[in-house]
Amino acid sequence: GENVEQHPSTLSVQEGDSAVIKCTYSDSASNYFPWYKQELGKGPQLIIDIRSNVGEKKDQRIAVTLNKTAKHFSLHITETQPEDSAVYFCAVDGGATNKLIFGTGTLLAVQP
Amino acid sequence: GAVVSQHPSWVICKSGTSVKIECRSLDFQATTMFWYRQFPKQSLMLMATSNEGSKATYEQGVEKDKFLINHASLTLSTLTVTSAHPEDSSFYICSAEPGTSGRRVQYFGPGTRLTVT
Repeated sequence: GENVEQHPSTLSVQEGDSAVIKCTYSDSASNYFPWYKQELGKGPQLIIDIRSNVGEKKDQRIAVTLNKTAKHFSLHITETQPEDSAVYFCAVDGGATNKLIFGTGTLLAVQP
Repeated sequence: GAVVSQHPSWVICKSGTSVKIECRSLDFQATTMFWYRQFPKQSLMLMATSNEGSKATYEQGVEKDKFLINHASLTLSTLTVTSAHPEDSSFYICSAEPGTSGRRVQYFGPGTRLTVT
């Protein structure tokens, strides 16, 4: 089955710096790669997603890049702010199924 | 748009009782809903997938007689934890996939914190 690895598990940056989180996956049939932000005690919130026919997608300070050959994709947050502090999860669709397989999460702390 | 609600947001129940959690898509119709369980500082674990009008598909290791799922309409799915025990205490989160999105987008509810005493 699909295996998703996410790194780093924790990331601390200074306000204004950039943050990068990377995920690798194993199933070459996967086509959909969303990123979720989860604040403490809340449900995950979809922040950006990308499909396999696109290499990069940007939405204001957030961007996602996809390398389908190498089977990895990354979340880039620029000009980080304290309110960006949360746990971020990558996910990958299960190829032939509509399930999402989640990474292990990255705790991002933005220091003011 | 794409708002999913859950009720209750938290619940405390006694061991041996049953608890029902509701998941609603407020502004779209969801052909598929998913139920996840999340332990502290861990990732989301898929419990089951439910499609409107049909039986839920449970992930390996999830007891279907203990976690009853009903997807009665395109906007409502319920999870009933039967004969709850302290080890069932967890954060339960549902998600909904719009039927018209054309892609596998899942929108999540705010979660339900279950504590079994």
